[in-house]
Amino acid sequence: EVQLVESGGGLVKSGGSLRLSCAASGFTFRSYSLNWVRQAPGKGLEWVSSISSDGSYIYYADSVKGRFTISRDNAENSLYLQMNSLRAEDTAVYYCVRDHLRRPGSLSLLDYWGQGTLVSVSS
Amino acid sequence: QSVLTQAPSASGTPGQRVTISCSGSSSNIGSNTVNWYQQLPGTAPKVLIYRNNERPSGIPDRFSGSKSGTSASLAISGLQSGDEADYYCAAWDDSLNAHVFGTGTQVTVL
Repeated sequence: EVQLVESGGGLVKSGGSLRLSCAASGFTFRSYSLNWVRQAPGKGLEWVSSISSDGSYIYYADSVKGRFTISRDNAENSLYLQMNSLRAEDTAVYYCVRDHLRRPGSLSLLDYWGQGTLVSVSS
Repeated sequence: QSVLTQAPSASGTPGQRVTISCSGSSSNIGSNTVNWYQQLPGTAPKVLIYRNNERPSGIPDRFSGSKSGTSASLAISGLQSGDEADYYCAAWDDSLNAHVFGTGTQVTVL
């Protein structure tokens, strides 16, 4: 059974930093690209960042570019999101999401989602 | 800022058919496959339709998807109370190098 378990969320002040982690199990971690998708309270889904299976392709939403860094450890079956210079508008539930492709593209499908971890940024 | 546009809400009585539209552009829906996600209250999204019109195992055939040009649609027939949820379309965008989501449609069963 595929499992994605996020951790590291919490309350942080504006301008602060936080590091999210996602522990994966139940599939061959090194064969899939991974993503962070967030959802602000009462709002829709917003893609944040993607990383290919080997980490060679990395993409960011404009809203987080230069502030967030995605990374993965294929030996530890873990995905990370380092979030710096946090703003109130970054407050959201952050989901760790698997793409069924090695690299995001035309046939991408975000097929498995974690339960999410809440990040709250106080101003 | 969502790149794909959906109506904010849709509703119907039990047994009725509801259709949700998703409008995009040539760089996303026009050139890539569309997926649909269902998000029940308080839960993570799950795949409802993939590759425009395919259903994962366990998804009833009351749910169907289609795509034409730069638009896509999700239809729910035989509406049930358990279908009350938020529905999102999504696709890869070649110009943005990003996954893009629709604005979301909240379905209510009257």
